[in-house]
Amino acid sequence: GAVVSQHPSWVICKSGTSVKIECRSLDFQATTMFWYRQFPKQSLMLMATSNEGSKATYEQGVEKDKFLINHASLTLSTLTVTSAHPEDSSFYICSARDFPNPRTQYFGPGTRLTVL
Amino acid sequence: GQQLNQSPQSMFIQEGEDVSMNCTSSSIFNTWLWYKQDPGEGPVLLIALYKAGELTSNGRLTAQFGITRKDSFLNISASIPSDVGIYFCAGRSNSGNTPLVFGKGTRLSVIA
Repeated sequence: GAVVSQHPSWVICKSGTSVKIECRSLDFQATTMFWYRQFPKQSLMLMATSNEGSKATYEQGVEKDKFLINHASLTLSTLTVTSAHPEDSSFYICSARDFPNPRTQYFGPGTRLTVL
Repeated sequence: GQQLNQSPQSMFIQEGEDVSMNCTSSSIFNTWLWYKQDPGEGPVLLIALYKAGELTSNGRLTAQFGITRKDSFLNISASIPSDVGIYFCAGRSNSGNTPLVFGKGTRLSVIA
């Protein structure tokens, strides 16, 4: 199947700092990428849909000024958590749809964010 | 947001047993996907289903797209310890940029 990578795999930061997470589709073009958040023992919660070359669409309750998404190319989307606070600590997972077969969706390995 | 009804929530089985889990939705879907997630990892796609009635296998795994288009099941035959993990169903109601809707997951434990 298609491969999606994320970087970093884990990050620890101080409260008030900003953290950028990268998501790359390695062997396919992804016109649409998705960012999810997952709390322990819970399902995935969609944060936003990222479309290449246009603004991201955020789910209700997700602050777009706090979670900045940039999808500058067909293989890269970034999520920046601005002014992070301890409650932002979570597992963030990106996902991308394979261009030739957009109904199939692949996930990255996730990024564990811990805000002190 | 909308969620699928996935059951069971958790299962404890003996190694070698078969496993079945399912998802139901109140609305019609045109895509069903089954994922497995290991601790600290992202979900890995197991099986993708695109047509009502479709039955697809991937090794010891078999999944079916219900003919009503409102349900899907995943079977695992002859379970082994590495089958341990959380299994998620996910569905989509159209082929555009509509996000996937996820079930809450089935936590599978295999006792050797």
